[in-house]
Amino acid sequence: GQQLNQSPQSMFIQEGEDVSMNCTSSSIFNTWLWYKQEPGEGPVLLIALYKAGELTSNGRLTAQFGITRKDSFLNISASIPSDVGIYFCAGRTGSSNTGKLIFGQGTTLQVKP
Amino acid sequence: DSGVTQTPKHLITATGQRVTLRCSPRSGDLSVYWYQQSLDQGLQFLIQYYNGEERAKGNILERFSAQQFPDLHSELNLSSLELGDSALYFCASSIEDTQYFGPGTRLTVL
Repeated sequence: GQQLNQSPQSMFIQEGEDVSMNCTSSSIFNTWLWYKQEPGEGPVLLIALYKAGELTSNGRLTAQFGITRKDSFLNISASIPSDVGIYFCAGRTGSSNTGKLIFGQGTTLQVKP
Repeated sequence: DSGVTQTPKHLITATGQRVTLRCSPRSGDLSVYWYQQSLDQGLQFLIQYYNGEERAKGNILERFSAQQFPDLHSELNLSSLELGDSALYFCASSIEDTQYFGPGTRLTVL
């Protein structure tokens, strides 16, 4: 079945450092989404990407939809302690309302003050 | 707050039992999705309903079933529970491509 490979699996960084994580797939996706999940909470949408090559920012976060449509990356600049959490990428192959997102395994981010 | 609500927040039950998890989508969202999140499996898509009808199915066991009601709320029924069913169960809703997740129900099967 379809799989997303998300890396790195975990990161432990110093406050103020930039962070980069990515997802790759053997399948082509029409939509890429990036979520953040904190302990005991549901995933919260950070950025949504709908077109190949699209580069979108949300504050200190920037994500890009790869040209091949098989990958996406998320960058966090100048990390702060509240960035701690698990970041998930998710991709969809179908059109809207036709089903499932495939999730990566997550990147656990820890930030040292 | 995503606007998606789930009840209960926590559920503890015994093997062999049956439970029902409830989800209310964001106002206006027609699609409801159910996911299971366990430590070793990540987020696994179970099933999607769109305006009352089943739209897509993922890795949902035969012991599990779901439905979406005319008011668009949804219920996930888990029966003949096993220890391995212990997990977080999330509901998400969407009107187009972007899914918004509820806070989840933590199910513990003893």
